[in-house]
Amino acid sequence: NAGVTQTPKFRILKIGQSMTLQCTQDMNHNYMYWYRQDPGMGLKLIYYSVGAGITDKGEVPNGYNVSRSTTEDFPLRLELAAPSQTSVYFCASNTPSSYNEQFFGPGTRLTVL
Amino acid sequence: GQNIDQPTEMTATEGAIVQINCTYQTSGFNGLFWYQQHAGEAPTFLSYNVLDGLEEKGRFSSFLSRSKGYSYLLLKELQMKDSASYLCAVRGGGATNKLIFGTGTLLAVQP
Repeated sequence: NAGVTQTPKFRILKIGQSMTLQCTQDMNHNYMYWYRQDPGMGLKLIYYSVGAGITDKGEVPNGYNVSRSTTEDFPLRLELAAPSQTSVYFCASNTPSSYNEQFFGPGTRLTVL
Repeated sequence: GQNIDQPTEMTATEGAIVQINCTYQTSGFNGLFWYQQHAGEAPTFLSYNVLDGLEEKGRFSSFLSRSKGYSYLLLKELQMKDSASYLCAVRGGGATNKLIFGTGTLLAVQP
């Protein structure tokens, strides 16, 4: 299994541009999550999904959108990028069992200039 | 509100023992996780506590007291490779398995 994969690894955007961060998992996990991590900070939940076709907002959803058309994929869309969205973005997934650690992807480092 | 507190930084010596504390106030509690994160990498799972007491896994142990809203991660026989950030995360109530993360404790292990 590849686990959770994310593309791209790095990206520089200009203010106002848009982009999609890709996340794919091959573990047949129902639950998927998007986090952002600012320097020296913990992870903040942006959006999450409990299954295909179902998404919901986390702590910091403004400026982002998601979709979940398949179990495997959970892309994160940034519209009208702003410098405040400069961060490292992590995708994670797990199953809804009681002992359910989240498995993280390698992250996407995004800079908005 | 939801709040998770950890020390920002700690320093310890190779071969020693270090304890990293975490206190939490959350609406609902359904387990506490510890993750390790090396610089520039993704978090990796270390431990999970849902009942009071100590869970031991090799050189790492984690303790939970639900009545006190308190947990600690104990690292024994410290190695240089243990230099990393340690994140405490609480899973709140409900069926969504969402985690609330603390800001992390950056541990520096010195020779």
